Amino acid sequence: QSVLTQPPSVSAAPGQKVTISCSGSSFNIGSNSVSWYQQLPGTAPKLLIYDNNERPSGIPDRFSGSKSGTSATLGITGLQTGDEADYYCGTWDTSLSAKVFGGGTRLTVL
Amino acid sequence: QAQLVQSGAEVKKPGASMKISCRASGYSFTDYYMHWVRQAPGQGLEWMGIINPIGGSTVYAQNFQGRLIMTRDTSTSTVYMELSSLRSEDTAMYYCGRGKGFFDGMDVWGQGTTVTVSS
Repeated sequence: QSVLTQPPSVSAAPGQKVTISCSGSSFNIGSNSVSWYQQLPGTAPKLLIYDNNERPSGIPDRFSGSKSGTSATLGITGLQTGDEADYYCGTWDTSLSAKVFGGGTRLTVL
Repeated sequence: QAQLVQSGAEVKKPGASMKISCRASGYSFTDYYMHWVRQAPGQGLEWMGIINPIGGSTVYAQNFQGRLIMTRDTSTSTVYMELSSLRSEDTAMYYCGRGKGFFDGMDVWGQGTTVTVSS
């Protein structure tokens, strides 16, 4: 059971938009910034979003992040087949003194 | 560019210990903390702990208290993760990842090290 809650899967057609939610508590998302990671099959995770809504250099603006209260959302527009991957949210949990992740969401581009 | 290169795959017997290395290059080693994260087959990401390359202080996840040790060698820009009393549930891919601080995202990851624990 993950500290952060994500939907197990989402799907959408190429070119469409999808959002992935991440729900936590006042001890984690509510008080710390959220990061999002993309993990393509058989590869290491890759940072997509940090500080709730910032993109590292090289990450296209099709990827966006937002946070409100104890929830965060990753948005992906203009879906491509290459976006098929597992997506994880992560943040620091003040009560656990540990970094915590969501259980991951598998994106299928139909 | 910044890069983290991990040591190779390991096969261990239950009760044994393992030690994985993560060598940093392309950036100032002491400017970033190093996290360790593992992923069991078909499962999600599990944070194990973090080490400050300046001084070597550590914070470990509660699940690993007592059998996890992280160390660093600043002369070789290498971080080590040692896990003892291995059990089958420790079979996983282990990743190192750098972060600016405890609260920041991990922007560079190692390629991963597969560890199999089996009798």
